[in-house]
Amino acid sequence: AQTVTQSQPEMSVQEAETVTLSCTYDTSENNYYLFWYKQPPSRQMILVIRQEAYKQQNATENRFSVNFQKAAKSFSLKISDSQLGDTAMYFCASGGSNSGYALNFGKGTSLLVTP
Amino acid sequence: SQTIHQWPATLVQPVGSPLSLECTVEGTSNPNLYWYRQAAGRGLQLLFYSVGIGQISSEVPQNLSASRPQDRQFILSSKKLLLSDSGFYLCAWNAGGWEQYFGPGTRLTVT
Repeated sequence: AQTVTQSQPEMSVQEAETVTLSCTYDTSENNYYLFWYKQPPSRQMILVIRQEAYKQQNATENRFSVNFQKAAKSFSLKISDSQLGDTAMYFCASGGSNSGYALNFGKGTSLLVTP
Repeated sequence: SQTIHQWPATLVQPVGSPLSLECTVEGTSNPNLYWYRQAAGRGLQLLFYSVGIGQISSEVPQNLSASRPQDRQFILSSKKLLLSDSGFYLCAWNAGGWEQYFGPGTRLTVT
């Protein structure tokens, strides 16, 4: 079984500042991936970043980076130089090969970027 | 390039009525297909997934069912809707790898 926990229902950050969203997970699989998805008001799910669990190096995509602590089962997302367009719901998710690569999602963090 | 379609975009149905939501993928073959539901203020809950035609795995027991009549078509159905079936339904696919690509979703309101 897999569970994903996001303990911050809402967060706020000023434009150009840095914010970190937290996520912890639990999985019984040995081969798994972790993801952060963004859901803007349009409700379209957009992949932000992914992390292969077997890789020690933290993934980075432009202003988005993760802090992956495998032993602690922690997977936080850092957004640098926040922009107004980053305002959205952010979901952490895990997926394993034993369940057809289906994803387990956290309840999400609502991020508001203010001017 | 691959695209995923869902319809209808919005739907209002009375309690006890049937349901049929359709999802189709273009530009790929033999994709893994998924149905998720997002209730108001909550995360996405996996409902069904399929790794091939006629192969459906159910994650949550409920009055919903899924079928995959064609390789790139995934249908979510119900014989009798409940109020608790209201939500935002998302279809997704992947090519047997890890990243999932989501459709635009269907907003279902059961009255």
